[in-house]
Amino acid sequence: NAGVTQTPKFRILKIGQSMTLQCTQDMNHNYMYWYRQDPGMGLKLIYYSVGAGITDKGEVPNGYNVSRSTTEDFPLRLELAAPSQTSVYFCASSYSTSGVNEQFFGPGTRLTVL
Amino acid sequence: AQKVTQAQTEISVVEKEDVTLDCVYETRDTTYYLFWYKQPPSGELVFLIRRNSFDEQNEISGRYSWNFQKSTSSFNFTITASQVVDSAVYFCALKSGSARQLTFGSGTQLTVLP
Repeated sequence: NAGVTQTPKFRILKIGQSMTLQCTQDMNHNYMYWYRQDPGMGLKLIYYSVGAGITDKGEVPNGYNVSRSTTEDFPLRLELAAPSQTSVYFCASSYSTSGVNEQFFGPGTRLTVL
Repeated sequence: AQKVTQAQTEISVVEKEDVTLDCVYETRDTTYYLFWYKQPPSGELVFLIRRNSFDEQNEISGRYSWNFQKSTSSFNFTITASQVVDSAVYFCALKSGSARQLTFGSGTQLTVLP
C-alpha cells in the first residue's frame, strides 16, 4: 500500500492564481480530510469528507473548495490564491463509522503564495 | 467546543534523559478520544497512540508511555531514555464524541542532544 499520497510536494503561486492539490489513498478509507499547518502551529481542518459525494466544512474553509467523486481521491482547490494561504497542507484518511480511528497522513504539500 | 493545550513550546534534553510532554484537554462530552502524533523533521505525521475516555489505563510501548488522567484532563506522554531520533514535534489531539474533527494542540518541539 502506498497509503496517502499528495502531489505536488512544493509549489509557488502568484497572488490570484489557482491550483489543485491532489490527494489519493489506497486503503479504502471512507473518511478523508484536508488540514493546513502554519509555522509553529497545530493543524487546522479545512474540509473533510465522510464518503464519496459527501463533503463538509472544517474550521478554516474560506478560499478553498473540495470534491469527492471517488473513495480514493479528495482534491483541494484554491481559487484566487492569497499570501494568507501560504502553509503546509496535509491530506489524511481514516476508516471509521464515526471518524474516531487514527488518521493516516500524507507527506504534505508546501505552498507559498507570493 | 473542544480545546487542546500543549503549554511546552520547546523542550531540550540530553540523550538518555527521560522527558514528559504535557497535554491538557477540554471537552464537555463524556465520550472522547485522545491521540498523540509525531512529526519528525521530514514533515510527515506519524500516529503514536489513541485512547478513549472510558479507558484510563496507562499505556507503555517500548520507551514510550502515556498517562491519562480524567481528573486533571491530562494525557501526558513520557519518553524514557530519550534518543536523538526522538527529536520531533509532538502533537496531542482530541476528538469529542459529538465533533466531526480532530482538534490539535500547537505542538511541542522536542530536541534531544547527543
